[in-house]
Amino acid sequence: DQQVKQNSPSLSVQEGRISILNCDYTNSMFDYFLWYKKYPAEGPTFLISISSIKDKNEDGRFTVFLNKSAKHLSLHIVPSQPGDSAVYFCAAIPSIIQGAQKLVFGQGTRLTINP
Amino acid sequence: GAGVSQSPRYKVAKRGQDVALRCDPISGHVSLFWYQQALGQGPEFLTYFQNEAQLDKSGLPSDRFFAERPEGSVSTLKIQRTQQEDSAVYLCASSFSPTDRVHSPLHFGNGTRLTVT
Repeated sequence: DQQVKQNSPSLSVQEGRISILNCDYTNSMFDYFLWYKKYPAEGPTFLISISSIKDKNEDGRFTVFLNKSAKHLSLHIVPSQPGDSAVYFCAAIPSIIQGAQKLVFGQGTRLTINP
Repeated sequence: GAGVSQSPRYKVAKRGQDVALRCDPISGHVSLFWYQQALGQGPEFLTYFQNEAQLDKSGLPSDRFFAERPEGSVSTLKIQRTQQEDSAVYLCASSFSPTDRVHSPLHFGNGTRLTVT
């Protein structure tokens, strides 16, 4: 039972263009969402997050959008740079009552930025 | 060091052997988590410590898996009688705040890749 789904295993984008990574979830009790970035042979590193009470959060080139009615979130990277090539994981946290920080991860999307 | 340190980086075990994986969290971090990442999948929660107390072990796949953090800093994940399905990357993560403060992101180590032959 995959509660957080990233349906695109890979994505290829030209340098300078916008990268859009998508994530769907099924559990309406999730109230906090995060994106992590992972390089080969390294652990995931935190990128950006959004609370369920918001629909957008922006940090430099990275913007996360949340559509609660559709149970969908997306990460936009603009402009894309070669250093953005990595695996991106979407993650969700259940409500505090159920145990915060117990991240539920998607399967990941491998982003490749082409020069 | 400045980050979460895990050792060994790679471990090859024969089926049936016991293994111990070590995690040194960032100094002063209260919360410590273990995750298991199978090939091509996202990390999956195994267990969580707040200081030395193991508050959640609901993700441990069987009673062959055991984790401890006796002094509230270094943690060890032990797997007894390893099986081939235990082959995965085991990730340790720590955060400064207890879990009632959700805005403290997890800091992950580079993981231990376990291969059971």
